[in-house]
Amino acid sequence: QKEVEQNSGPLSVPEGAIASLNCTYSDRGSQSFFWYRQYSGKSPELIMSIYSNGDKEDGRFTAQLNKASQYVSLLIRDSQPSDSATYLCAFIYNAGNMLTFGGGTRLMVKP
Amino acid sequence: EAQVTQNPRYLITVTGKKLTVTCSQNMNHEYMSWYRQDPGLGLRQIYYSMNVEVTDKGDVPEGYKVSRKEKRNFPLILESPSPNQTSLYFCASSLRAIGVTYEQYFGPGTRLTVT
Repeated sequence: QKEVEQNSGPLSVPEGAIASLNCTYSDRGSQSFFWYRQYSGKSPELIMSIYSNGDKEDGRFTAQLNKASQYVSLLIRDSQPSDSATYLCAFIYNAGNMLTFGGGTRLMVKP
Repeated sequence: EAQVTQNPRYLITVTGKKLTVTCSQNMNHEYMSWYRQDPGLGLRQIYYSMNVEVTDKGDVPEGYKVSRKEKRNFPLILESPSPNQTSLYFCASSLRAIGVTYEQYFGPGTRLTVT
């Protein structure tokens, strides 16, 4: 069984702060990692993907991947109340045929 | 508008009464998948299909069936629903299953309650 571990939260940060979300995974063979955002009652939407070690930046979002430590994180700079949602990390396994999700971390950004 | 649609969005049914949740995409995607989402467990993959007439089990296939007779449609069938299948169900599709880019587009979800 492939596993993805996330702290369920809630993670509470003040508006304008940096939110740091973390995820560990069990499959050393996985090559592709994703962060999805899910607002309450809505479907998940992809916000970041990362495939190689290091950092990948997209606007206020930075994904960090460390394959040796089997660790992926998401940093949200200048957090806004609209960022309040559940963030799901996921990775591909089974030769790209399947996607495993973590349980999600609920982020609350307080004005 | 490119989208994945699911019907119904909400369903309350009784144990043992067969039901089908439909899923359709208009993006000519090869890959389609069904997930269920339960509190604290995240999204778990039920079945997936890599193309027409090609389906395979995900992590939690027990109690479910699927078919892929047309590229755009991927219905989820519960032959004899039980209360432990009460959940939020998502259909998703992506252009291809294998590749560097693997963005899945999710449908709006179907909330199923089995009493």
